[in-house]
Amino acid sequence: DGGITQSPKYLFRKEGQNVTLSCEQNLNHDAMYWYRQDPGQGLRLIYYSQIVNDFQKGDIAEGYSVSREKKESFPLTVTSAQKNPTAFYLCASSIDDGDNEQFFGPGTRLTVL
Amino acid sequence: AQSVAQPEDQVNVAEGNPLTVKCTYSVSGNPYLFWYVQYPNRGLQFLLKYITGDNLVKGSYGFEAEFNKSQTSFHLKKPSALVSDSALYFCAVRLQGYNYGQNFVFGPGTRLSVLP
Repeated sequence: DGGITQSPKYLFRKEGQNVTLSCEQNLNHDAMYWYRQDPGQGLRLIYYSQIVNDFQKGDIAEGYSVSREKKESFPLTVTSAQKNPTAFYLCASSIDDGDNEQFFGPGTRLTVL
Repeated sequence: AQSVAQPEDQVNVAEGNPLTVKCTYSVSGNPYLFWYVQYPNRGLQFLLKYITGDNLVKGSYGFEAEFNKSQTSFHLKKPSALVSDSALYFCAVRLQGYNYGQNFVFGPGTRLSVLP
């Protein structure tokens, strides 16, 4: 099956800890994205990557970091500098160009205890 | 500023009745428009998109959307609603001429409740 996987589905973190959320795709897409969704809210862009070894900050990048060492993988680290990390995190990917839609993973719900 | 609006936070409709979820946009140039659906604790699923051509676009699960350039709208419709259509719906626009990655803008979402 082709698609995007995210793990874990649920994640609990103590204050002051860094955590890494996994995102993998086998769609051969160049572009990958991380979004944050708060309850009842829309999506806010955290980081995006257009190609391997390149990524750019989105609208709310503070307190987050990413890497893109492989085309298939775009992990997101939520650092202790992120003051309000409890949220639903969505990873997406798309063909890098034109009118193509984004494909989304199932999401990771992060809760800070 | 270029943006996408979904003027209704919540839409309620009886099962079997037609449904409409509204979306308006404010962009320069010709937009690419998309609709997504999100079920609880799930990722977004793509429903349909308008790129060019026929203003009425047909998509997944019996949904369709009508592009109206003069009204800058892209309303999502379905002739007969099902209880299983109850979900959160997002309109999105892909802007041309922007830095890649920041050219995909989502609306705030509309929660659709279909009542049995």
